[in-house]
Amino acid sequence: SAVISQKPSRDICQRGTSLTIQCQVDSQVTMMFWYRQQPGQSLTLIATANQGSEATYESGFVIDKFPISRPNLTFSTLTVSNMSPEDSSIYLCSVLGEGEKLFFGSGTQLSVL
Amino acid sequence: GENVEQHPSTLSVQEGDSAVIKCTYSDSASNYFPWYKQELGKRPQLIIDIRSNVGEKKDQRIAVTLNKTAKHFSLHITETQPEDSAVYFCAAISGSNYKLTFGKGTLLTVNP
Repeated sequence: SAVISQKPSRDICQRGTSLTIQCQVDSQVTMMFWYRQQPGQSLTLIATANQGSEATYESGFVIDKFPISRPNLTFSTLTVSNMSPEDSSIYLCSVLGEGEKLFFGSGTQLSVL
Repeated sequence: GENVEQHPSTLSVQEGDSAVIKCTYSDSASNYFPWYKQELGKRPQLIIDIRSNVGEKKDQRIAVTLNKTAKHFSLHITETQPEDSAVYFCAAISGSNYKLTFGKGTLLTVNP
């Protein structure tokens, strides 16, 4: 299956700042997604990253807070803007891979002070 | 939208016993049901999945069953081992958008 890498793997940030998370796949994929996993919780879909167009956001998530780029079929970024402690979570990218199955990246653990 | 309920939230078994985790879903149009295993500090790992045209699927010690009428599906792990200890998430996809709706997870502990 595809190798999905995320950078950074973890970061500690100050409130009010922004962090951009990168997701790199070693093969072209049609669909990419971003999920959030709050401490001790399940995964929640933030948005679908559309190649060459604006991302599609789920209820409760907005572009101003979580801008997403997807310039090609192997790469996407998620920015967490104007961070607050409530944004402390693990952020995971996911891709539609072989067999039409969904696989997850290595994750980015974000702590906001 | 889709809603997935998962039970139990925690499950403790002795090594060698079986473990069963159950999920229900709300959207009758859901057609794909994967299960993910997440060890502490690691990414969710796909362990088995089932599509709506199949009632049961098995892969070595792991099996999944699906009852479309009742809208529930279950994960069965036989001959559990300590390395099976993890959080297990069920999920469902409705339609062709590939958006996963997850259950809240089950913390499985296998005691040696």
